[in-house]
Amino acid sequence: DTAVSQTPKYLVTQMGNDKSIKCEQNLGHDTMYWYKQDSKKFLKIMFSYNNKELIINETVPNRFSPKSPDKAHLNLHINSLELGDSAVYFCASSQVPGKLFFGSGTQLSVL
Amino acid sequence: TQLLEQSPQFLSIQEGENLTVYCNSSSVFSSLQWYRQEPGEGPVLLVTVVTGGEVKKLKRLTFQFGDARKDSSLHITAAQPGDTGLYLCAGYYAEKLVFGKGTKLTVNP
Repeated sequence: DTAVSQTPKYLVTQMGNDKSIKCEQNLGHDTMYWYKQDSKKFLKIMFSYNNKELIINETVPNRFSPKSPDKAHLNLHINSLELGDSAVYFCASSQVPGKLFFGSGTQLSVL
Repeated sequence: TQLLEQSPQFLSIQEGENLTVYCNSSSVFSSLQWYRQEPGEGPVLLVTVVTGGEVKKLKRLTFQFGDARKDSSLHITAAQPGDTGLYLCAGYYAEKLVFGKGTKLTVNP
């Protein structure tokens, strides 16, 4: 059983489109995150949710909207995709600060 | 300004060699974590160091937390091709986990 699973693994789309990435964790963790990893492999936090409540919202364009229907799921919707949105997006969960379990990533390519 | 500075950025060595990766900051951390990421996968936690001066060993990997809790190092003894990957240090700061830019290690057979 995959602890943190995100879909799709690859996402290729045109500029201006709207897309969603889904994430589910079966670890029973209270906190979930979205991280963005750029082409230089730098990993930066975007959002953090604790028990469905948004607790961290880094300086992310409001085209990015996370949604947590329950504490096991955290989805990421992106409107009006831009070339600069191309990156690998990771979902993660944790119960202990600093001890994160990551999904295998979604590679987003905006053409 | 990067909160956690890692060096070197790239490291390519031969199987059997030893290596050390450094993670430095001007800020004090209550703990630091080391993660390893393989291509196409998410980072996986290797270790957490909590106490200043602490040394933790994980088989051929030795992790050290600086006395002042501002820096950490990862030493690998007799590196193997299976150690190839991106090594990331991370620290919990302002209620979020921040990462260094990583060290990409390649161990050649």
